[in-house]
Amino acid sequence: DQQVKQNSPSLSVQEGRISILNCDYTNSMFDYFLWYKKYPAEGPTFLISISSIKDKNEDGRFTVFLNKSAKHLSLHIVPSQPGDSAVYFCAASRPGAGSYQLTFGKGTKLSVIP
Amino acid sequence: SQTIHQWPATLVQPVGSPLSLECTVEGTSNPNLYWYRQAAGRGLQLLFYSVGIGQISSEVPQNLSASRPQDRQFILSSKKLLLSDSGFYLCAWSATGKTQYFGPGTRLLVL
Repeated sequence: DQQVKQNSPSLSVQEGRISILNCDYTNSMFDYFLWYKKYPAEGPTFLISISSIKDKNEDGRFTVFLNKSAKHLSLHIVPSQPGDSAVYFCAASRPGAGSYQLTFGKGTKLSVIP
Repeated sequence: SQTIHQWPATLVQPVGSPLSLECTVEGTSNPNLYWYRQAAGRGLQLLFYSVGIGQISSEVPQNLSASRPQDRQFILSSKKLLLSDSGFYLCAWSATGKTQYFGPGTRLLVL
């Protein structure tokens, strides 16, 4: 049972335009959501996060929106740059036995075309 | 600042051989530590996590094991590798918060 879903395996966007990456989740116990960026053969890099008590968080070109009723979040990148080309993972966090645990989606490969 | 190291970066091992991957964290004390695996074309799967020395929780039963002999050291092991163990292994740390920070990863190919 996939609790975090990224239904678009890939996305192509023109440089300078907006990139919108989507993520859906099913577990209502998730209370914190994160986006990671990953280049091939490297570890994921933390980008931005949002708590379930908020509906928007912004950091420079990156904005994450959370719609709890729809169990949906999205990452907006404006403007998109060629260096943004990577795989983006959505992750959701829930409390575990003394530790928070992340559940990841399968990722969306973003290609920003110059 | 905190840094996380993993080695080796790449490993090619025959089926049935043992495995030991090491992860160390610098610049923090008593971190939560995690081992993940990313198989080809798939997302990140949590294998083990640890909230302290000697404390290991397993998420997925398999022929892998983990140990935490020191506060900032996390080791992933196997006595006999399977072909299906091939993948990209990632270690992560968290300061008991909700954000995890990943190491550079180890690419394991079992032949």
